Amino acid sequence: TAGITQAPTSQILAAGRSMTLRCTQDMRHNAMYWYRQDLGLGLRLIHYSNTAGTTGKGEVPDGYSVSRANTDDFPLTLASAVPSQTSVYFCASSDGGGDTDTQYFGPGTRLTVL
Amino acid sequence: GQNIDQPTEMTATEGAIVQINCTYQTSGFNGLFWYQQHAGEAPTFLSYNVLDGLEEKGRFSSFLSRSKGYSYLLLKELQMKDSASYLCAVRDSNYQLIWGAGTKLIIKP
Repeated sequence: TAGITQAPTSQILAAGRSMTLRCTQDMRHNAMYWYRQDLGLGLRLIHYSNTAGTTGKGEVPDGYSVSRANTDDFPLTLASAVPSQTSVYFCASSDGGGDTDTQYFGPGTRLTVL
Repeated sequence: GQNIDQPTEMTATEGAIVQINCTYQTSGFNGLFWYQQHAGEAPTFLSYNVLDGLEEKGRFSSFLSRSKGYSYLLLKELQMKDSASYLCAVRDSNYQLIWGAGTKLIIKP
């Protein structure tokens, strides 16, 4: 089983350009999340979606947008990239129910904005 | 504000035991998670605690004290493959995970 896939694996982007990071899961999980991970900091939630058709803002949503047209896909768009968006981006999903509701992570996208 | 504290780095010897501590101050508590993250890879789930006490899973155990805002991850019979970062995360009152910066564990032969 693939679990969660992300694309691209890595990208170098010029400041001011737009980019969409792709995330697809095949576990039929209701909830999906986008995090960024920066050296010395914990994972920070950018946006989340509890179910298809709904999205919510996390801790650091500015400069990012998401959509959740179906259960499997949760793309993250940077409309006009800035150097401070250089980071490793992880997509995650969870069943959205039960006590544990463990989040499972994709392999990440390493983004460098110059 | 919300805060998760863990040591930045720890070193241990192969075959030994190591305890990684995590203290937290969050708005609400709905469970605590430990994840393992090897360099350049995704975090992977290790354990979940929601009630006080010890949860054992093979070589790994996790302990929780809600009254003290404290947890630890205990790794026994350390192997070289255990060299990784260990992330502590607390699910808050909004059911969002608040993450610590992680503890880098270095295993020496």
